[in-house]
Amino acid sequence: GQQVMQIPQYQHVQEGEDFTTYCNSSTTLSNIQWYKQRPGGHPVFLIQLVKSGEVKKQKRLTFQFGEAKKNSSLHITATQTTDVGTYFCAGPNNNNDMRFGAGTRLTVKP
Amino acid sequence: NAGVTQTPKFQVLKTGQSMTLQCAQDMNHNSMYWYRQDPGMGLRLIYYSASEGTTDKGEVPNGYNVSRLNKREFSLRLESAAPSQTSVYFCASMTGVYSNQPQHFGDGTRLSIL
Repeated sequence: GQQVMQIPQYQHVQEGEDFTTYCNSSTTLSNIQWYKQRPGGHPVFLIQLVKSGEVKKQKRLTFQFGEAKKNSSLHITATQTTDVGTYFCAGPNNNNDMRFGAGTRLTVKP
Repeated sequence: NAGVTQTPKFQVLKTGQSMTLQCAQDMNHNSMYWYRQDPGMGLRLIYYSASEGTTDKGEVPNGYNVSRLNKREFSLRLESAAPSQTSVYFCASMTGVYSNQPQHFGDGTRLSIL
C-alpha cells in the first residue's frame, strides 16, 4: 500500500528560528493534508493541498505540494512557543482512507 | 456542538480481558475511522467505515473488530487484549466518503494492558 514518510522525526529550535518538515509519498497523491497535534491533544486539521506545485500560506506557515504530487513541505517562519507540537502529513491510500506520516515533533526553546 | 466524542478517556485492562471503545459524532458525517498512536509511529489506521453499513480493514486490523452501529456511532472492540495493544486510540470522522476532506478527531482513549 501507499507509504508516507516524514523527516525529521524531531526538531528542536530556538524561538524565532525557522522550521521545516518534509513529507514524501511512494505514490502520486491526489491531495495531501497537514495536521497539528499539541502535546496531550488530538490531531487538528491545518490544510489540504490538491494542485501540483500548489503553495498556501497561513500566517507564518507555508505549505507546498511538489510538482510531481509525491512530496510536500511545511515551513514555519520565526517559530513561537505556541508552535510546539507534532506535525503530520497524510495522503489518500485509496478513495476512502488516509495514511499518516510518523510526524515531526517540534519543540521550541524560549 | 461536541464533534467527536470518545469513551472512556482512560482504561487499564489485564491481558485477555475484552472491552469496547465507543465513538460518536454529531456532525452527520458519513465516514468514521479508528487509529492507534504509538510513540514514533504516527497514526496507524485500524479500521474505517466509509458509510453506514460498511467497514473495511486498515493497516493494523489484527486483534480488533468494529461495528458501525448507525451513522453516528462506530465502536472498536478488543476481544482478548494483549500488552502490544497498549496505545492511544483516536476516532475520527469525515463528512464525505472519499479521502479529500478534513478528518475531525476525538480526544482519544488512553489504553494500558498489563
